Amino acid sequence: DGGITQSPKYLFRKEGQNVTLSCEQNLNHDAMYWYRQDPGQGLRLIYYSQIVNDFQKGDIAEGYSVSREKKESFPLTVTSAQKNPTAFYLCASTREGVGSHEQFFGPGTRLTVL
Amino acid sequence: KQEVTQIPAALSVPEGENLVLNCSFTDSAIYNLQWFRQDPGKGLTSLLLIQSSQREQTSGRLNASLDKSSGRSTLYIAASQPGDSATYLCAGGSNYKLTFGKGTLLTVNP
Repeated sequence: DGGITQSPKYLFRKEGQNVTLSCEQNLNHDAMYWYRQDPGQGLRLIYYSQIVNDFQKGDIAEGYSVSREKKESFPLTVTSAQKNPTAFYLCASTREGVGSHEQFFGPGTRLTVL
Repeated sequence: KQEVTQIPAALSVPEGENLVLNCSFTDSAIYNLQWFRQDPGKGLTSLLLIQSSQREQTSGRLNASLDKSSGRSTLYIAASQPGDSATYLCAGGSNYKLTFGKGTLLTVNP
């Protein structure tokens, strides 16, 4: 079955640590996105990528980094510079370019800072 | 900058009732409007996508409309069921991204 997988489902981080969230898709989609969701707020865009080896900052990129070395993979690193990283992180993808078509989402990773 | 607002923030209805969820957006230059469902602790499930050239889309008991001139979209759910209980999110697409509303928490009581 085609879809988007995210791992791990739950992640705990100590202050000062960098952690990497995995996102993989087998939908052959070109564009991939990372969002952050906090209680009572809408989803906010962290980074997005239209094609391999290219990515752009979203609305809240500070303290995060990404890479896009393969079409199917778009990992997100939460660095120690992110002051309030506890949140639910969602990865999404679309076919044929950024934002022009239906977005599909993975199951999410819940990150908690201890 | 696109802003998306959803009203009401929460809605509780008895089973079998027809209901409407509302979504408004500020930038009429959107090229699509997408409705999602989110269950607690889960990712988003796409329900309906309306392209800017369309006025509505239907899937089963769901019907979504789009009026770009007034900056509004509605999601109509017919004959609601307890399994419809979830948070419903709308998102407007412009340029490279979707802008999301905060969602409507729907509870359908048996």
